[in-house]
Amino acid sequence: GIQVEQSPPDLILQEGANSTLRCNFSDSVNNLQWFHQNPWGQLINLFYIPSGTKQNGRLSATTVATERYSLLYISSSQTTDSGVYFCAVEINTDKLIFGTGTRLQVFP
Amino acid sequence: EAGVVQSPRYKIIEKKQPVAFWCNPISGHNTLYWYRQNLGQGPELLIRYENEEAVDDSQLPKDRFSAERLKGVDSTLKIQPAELGDSAVYLCASSLWQDNSGANVLTFGAGSRLTVL
Repeated sequence: GIQVEQSPPDLILQEGANSTLRCNFSDSVNNLQWFHQNPWGQLINLFYIPSGTKQNGRLSATTVATERYSLLYISSSQTTDSGVYFCAVEINTDKLIFGTGTRLQVFP
Repeated sequence: EAGVVQSPRYKIIEKKQPVAFWCNPISGHNTLYWYRQNLGQGPELLIRYENEEAVDDSQLPKDRFSAERLKGVDSTLKIQPAELGDSAVYLCASSLWQDNSGANVLTFGAGSRLTVL
């Protein structure tokens, strides 16, 4: 089946720093979403981005479908950005397959 | 607008006992998903419903797990009997196809954390 790998697995930042999270996937997909799971376990959808670039405040994402990767950029990080970031891809059967996650800790 | 509602948030049971989780999706969302998330891992799909029909239950361990969505709205996931390895967070999600873009954007509930002793 399709493999979804994220890097880095762990990231520790000080408030105000910028970061880039990467998601590699092994096959063609028709959907890609980025989620943030906060320390209380709630999964929040950040972006639906099967291709192209989107921005929402301090967050932006770019997916290059032909090269099978997606990037999530976090600028001017805040402590509330802490948690786990998941990339999830969807194949034709409407099954979202989640990656391994990047655990982000932002310290003041 | 209320989000996806799940209950209970936490459940502690002894092995071999039954347990049930309930999910109420966002109003109007015809697709409902049950995912399981083990500690330190990403969620994995257990079952997907389109209205009241289970269209993908290939990952559901059918010997002990069952699910239903009788009226195509809320859903129940049951485990009987529970085993130690079933300790996990059980997440429910719902979605509605976005006609303009063809997107299928999932919204997740807060999850039900199960501990089996």
